[in-house]
Amino acid sequence: DAKTTQPTSMDCAEGRAANLPCNHSTISGNEYVYWYRQIHSQGPQYIIHGLKNNETNEMASLIITEDRKSSTLILPHATLRDTAVYYCIVRVADSSYKLIFGSGTRLLVRP
Amino acid sequence: DGGITQSPKYLFRKEGQNVTLSCEQNLNHDAMYWYRQDPGQGLRLIYYSQIVNDFQKGDIAEGYSVSREKKESFPLTVTSAQKNPTAFYLCASSIPQGSKNIQYFGAGTRLSVL
Repeated sequence: DAKTTQPTSMDCAEGRAANLPCNHSTISGNEYVYWYRQIHSQGPQYIIHGLKNNETNEMASLIITEDRKSSTLILPHATLRDTAVYYCIVRVADSSYKLIFGSGTRLLVRP
Repeated sequence: DGGITQSPKYLFRKEGQNVTLSCEQNLNHDAMYWYRQDPGQGLRLIYYSQIVNDFQKGDIAEGYSVSREKKESFPLTVTSAQKNPTAFYLCASSIPQGSKNIQYFGAGTRLSVL
């Protein structure tokens, strides 16, 4: 699975959009981008995933660049409950195998 | 409610003691996983099972053992051979097919050594 690079920490104001970047320059054609988050002392929670098209669900939007070397997770209206560590993971979808969690981005939503 | 239940939430181990962490899921998922998380770190895979009565070692299996006798259950035993067991243990399950190979996690068990 390709390696990902994320900023160590970010912050944003409550009610504003949070834009979390991820670089995955060595991504292969059959690898998807997955985002999970982990609120303190809880298990990770799946947010969204995509291959090459932009994706949106009730939690977030995922924007993947045309060359697929980077992506951005967007939380459109961040709340205090969105304070968590956000992990960007690249993997082959059919692999029933481990998720490689890096250090992630620690997002702090300020009141 | 469908989901993954881990118990206990907190567990203490004495020196030389084996302890077992429980993981039960009612999502009808075929695959189950155990991860370990140390403070400030990402998750590392201990063991995984793609089907009943079969399991494979992950990256850090030494000092741990598992069983998969039922689809719903995947208990993890931390043996006395694991010299540094203090960590946050997370169980997950998934349907390992296609692009929706999403892992769902339990709330975790925090293990400490007395």
